Amino acid sequence: DIVMTQSPLSLPVTPGEPASISCRSSQSLLYSNGYNYLDWYVQKPGQSPQLLIYLASTRAPGVPDRFSGSGSGTDFTLKISRVEAEDVGVYYCMQAVQFPLGFGGGTKVEI
Amino acid sequence: EVQLVEFGGGLVQPGRSLRLSCAASGFIFDDYDIHWVRQGPGKGLEWVSRISWNSATAAYADSVKGRFTISRDNAKKSVYLQMNSLKVEDTALYYCVKDIGRMTTVTWGFGSWGQGTLVTVSS
Repeated sequence: DIVMTQSPLSLPVTPGEPASISCRSSQSLLYSNGYNYLDWYVQKPGQSPQLLIYLASTRAPGVPDRFSGSGSGTDFTLKISRVEAEDVGVYYCMQAVQFPLGFGGGTKVEI
Repeated sequence: EVQLVEFGGGLVQPGRSLRLSCAASGFIFDDYDIHWVRQGPGKGLEWVSRISWNSATAAYADSVKGRFTISRDNAKKSVYLQMNSLKVEDTALYYCVKDIGRMTTVTWGFGSWGQGTLVTVSS
């Protein structure tokens, strides 16, 4: 099974400043079609998770452009160009290239 | 608007069974894979199971393989998770989740989530 490792565990942020979360997989997430099957989700307090980024770098509909995803193979990054107060929550990466699918342990972003 | 509504959770003793249901609306149900994802109290997200859009294939987490069975009824726009031999560690909020990819062979991403149904396994 593919193991997903996120860092840091906790990320204190300042509104208006950038933030970055790292996600590493134990095997390549590059599929035969050339896409990396890596998603990013955020779970805001008291809410169901929501999709931010899929295929490593494609923003989901309605996601602000201050969120961006990058990386390939086994190393991926989620960046927030300018953190806003509403961005607090727990961020998860997830590999979708093979079953069983797997989430990282989560990164708690707090102001 | 896509809607996924889970129900069927509750308190159950270890070793007993429970069946979760997910009622879908707002999209062409027949064209999309549906998954179950769970979250234990105070814990992270854990993928549980997936059924393909045409019911041809199903997949399971190692932790539930052999005990849980996923199925769907496209006529009723519903997905089910039959959970047998429940363990204390199955206690979690269970989310029904829709893939954003249409009729795909690889999961793209979980674009829509229900509010979850709580399963508590305790004696």
